[in-house]
Amino acid sequence: EVQLVESGGGLVQPGGSLRLSCAASGFIFTNYWMSWVRQAPGKGLEWVANIKQDGSDQYYVDSVKGRFTISRDNAKNSLYLQMNSLRAEDTSTYYCVRGGGAFDSWGQGTMVTVSS
Amino acid sequence: DIQMTQSPSSLSASVGDRVTITCRASQGIRNDLGWYQQKPGKAPKRLIYAASVLQSGVPSRFSGSGSGTEFTLTISSLQPEDFATYYCLQHNSYPRTFGQGTKVEIK
Repeated sequence: EVQLVESGGGLVQPGGSLRLSCAASGFIFTNYWMSWVRQAPGKGLEWVANIKQDGSDQYYVDSVKGRFTISRDNAKNSLYLQMNSLRAEDTSTYYCVRGGGAFDSWGQGTMVTVSS
Repeated sequence: DIQMTQSPSSLSASVGDRVTITCRASQGIRNDLGWYQQKPGKAPKRLIYAASVLQSGVPSRFSGSGSGTEFTLTISSLQPEDFATYYCLQHNSYPRTFGQGTKVEIK
């Protein structure tokens, strides 16, 4: 069974940093692109970033370019999202998702709140 | 960026009704489209991929159609557990973009 378990969310001040993690199990991690998708409270879904199987390619939505970095550790079956210069508008639930676009499995999400 | 325009934004329907949700892409995306169901407080769940392929384990009352710029999700006979919000997603190009969602409520 595919499992994606996010961690690392919390309350952070504007301008601060946070690192999200996603532990993957139940599938061959190195066979898949991986992504982060977020959802602001009461709002729709927004794709944030994705990363190729070997980590050699990454793509980002414009609103996070230069501030967020997606990475992976294939030895640990883990996906990460380093978030710097956080803004109030980054407040969302962040989902770890299997796939680069055809998202077939989702984690339960981790909440990030950016507020002073 | 490819804009995904989903309609309606909400609808009220009764158990047993046939429900149709439409997504229109601002440019052609072949069949690079999925449909997702999300219930309150839960992660989205994929229902349909490649525009018309039913995800394993999803009831056959769900179906998808379309190609290019016009896509449809149909629920042939609405069940109580289908009351949720539905999203389309295009993955033909970057950035990946979702429709704004359709909330299906009980009439």
